[in-house]
Amino acid sequence: ELKVEQNPLFLSMQEGKNYTIYCNYSTTSDRLYWYRQDPGKSLESLFVLLSNGAVKQEGRLMASLDTKARLSTLHITAAVHDLSATYFCAVTFGNQFYFGTGTSLTVIP
Amino acid sequence: EAGVVQSPRYKIIEKKQPVAFWCNPISGHNTLYWYRQNLGQGPELLIRYENEEAVDDSQLPKDRFSAERLKGVDSTLKIQPAELGDSAVYLCASSLAWRGVLEQYFGPGTRLTVT
Repeated sequence: ELKVEQNPLFLSMQEGKNYTIYCNYSTTSDRLYWYRQDPGKSLESLFVLLSNGAVKQEGRLMASLDTKARLSTLHITAAVHDLSATYFCAVTFGNQFYFGTGTSLTVIP
Repeated sequence: EAGVVQSPRYKIIEKKQPVAFWCNPISGHNTLYWYRQNLGQGPELLIRYENEEAVDDSQLPKDRFSAERLKGVDSTLKIQPAELGDSAVYLCASSLAWRGVLEQYFGPGTRLTVT
């Protein structure tokens, strides 16, 4: 069974600080997705990482993928309150998506 | 372009009652997913359709849950009878493969409360 684990599960950080969310998965997959979910809302796609060494950046968020280590990171630079949300990583096996446990991020002014 | 549409957005029922959820995927998306998301957890797949065919329903509790996707477009998910543990958000998603990359789009979800 494919497992996807994220850590930390909860993250409280001050505005302006940097932090990294980690996503580990148990079975080879070369597609790694990051989603954002605001409270009471659905999931919004942030990044799709397609290959080993892939790096994508959007604003204060940067995602990377190491397929050999089965690890993806989501780095937050100079956090702002608007980034408060739950972040999920997911991998695909065939056409099926497997989601991580989620990281609930709260940015404190 | 309209996104994935789901209805109702909220539903409160008593246990042992039936309930049904409806999903209209993005036009042209052949793959449709139903997920259940419990509070504080990630989405868990219930069933996946490729066009009209259910290709993965291993996580669907078949004693009380059923789903259908007529004509390979809209889909309904039914629970009969509902139990307290069924309280969750039910998400529908559709996907399209573009240049070998699968992109999945989620609907707003239906929040079910079973009392």
